[in-house]
Amino acid sequence: DTGVSQNPRHKITKRGQNVTFRCDPISEHNRLYWYRQTLGQGPEFLTYFQNEAQLEKSRLLSDRFSAERPKGSFSTLEIQRTEQGDSAMYLCASSLDGEPTGELFFGEGSRLTVL
Amino acid sequence: AQKVTQAQTEISVVEKEDVTLDCVYETRDTTYYLFWYKQPPSGELVFLIRRNSFDEQNEISGRYSWNFQKSTSSFNFTITASQVVDSAVYFCALRGNTGGFKTIFGAGTRLFVKA
Repeated sequence: DTGVSQNPRHKITKRGQNVTFRCDPISEHNRLYWYRQTLGQGPEFLTYFQNEAQLEKSRLLSDRFSAERPKGSFSTLEIQRTEQGDSAMYLCASSLDGEPTGELFFGEGSRLTVL
Repeated sequence: AQKVTQAQTEISVVEKEDVTLDCVYETRDTTYYLFWYKQPPSGELVFLIRRNSFDEQNEISGRYSWNFQKSTSSFNFTITASQVVDSAVYFCALRGNTGGFKTIFGAGTRLFVKA
């Protein structure tokens, strides 16, 4: 597998439940990003990691959202007490350190539906 | 603040027509990178082209070409002899050299190519 892998691909949950998404980046990439995309909009930046360090978080990432990358490989994005407004596609991307242009390689996304 | 504006929400063309997608950006960074990504119906964003702020030379790559003009902060993308497989949402994106490594995306332009 040479691409970015995300699972689950689809998640339907009831309001108030917690959900967790996993992202496995391209193996040699040490930068990992989470974006959120709603219908008809472009991806919105949530957070990014360099190795295991979370270096930046968007204001969009409320205290109900937490992301981790414990060993600098895969990452998880957890949403606690989900709200209907959290319904979106959650995209993971990775890039190669030292690549000056910062081209992103995206996974297929995890679609969240909160009922 | 950085911003990317794609004024065209949807474009519809007939196969073999040329089509230009517009992008206007805002940044205070002196060094920055501009990108175009494609999101086909399957959903996975795919990198297409990039340009750095130091190089305003326009290029052609296959059926793709781009016109970068710093004076007007525009980075337009042209598909020559469009094909049905070009139908997708196209995103213009910007990454500056300050504010971390996040890439900011526009809202996208949906392109329909009819046979």
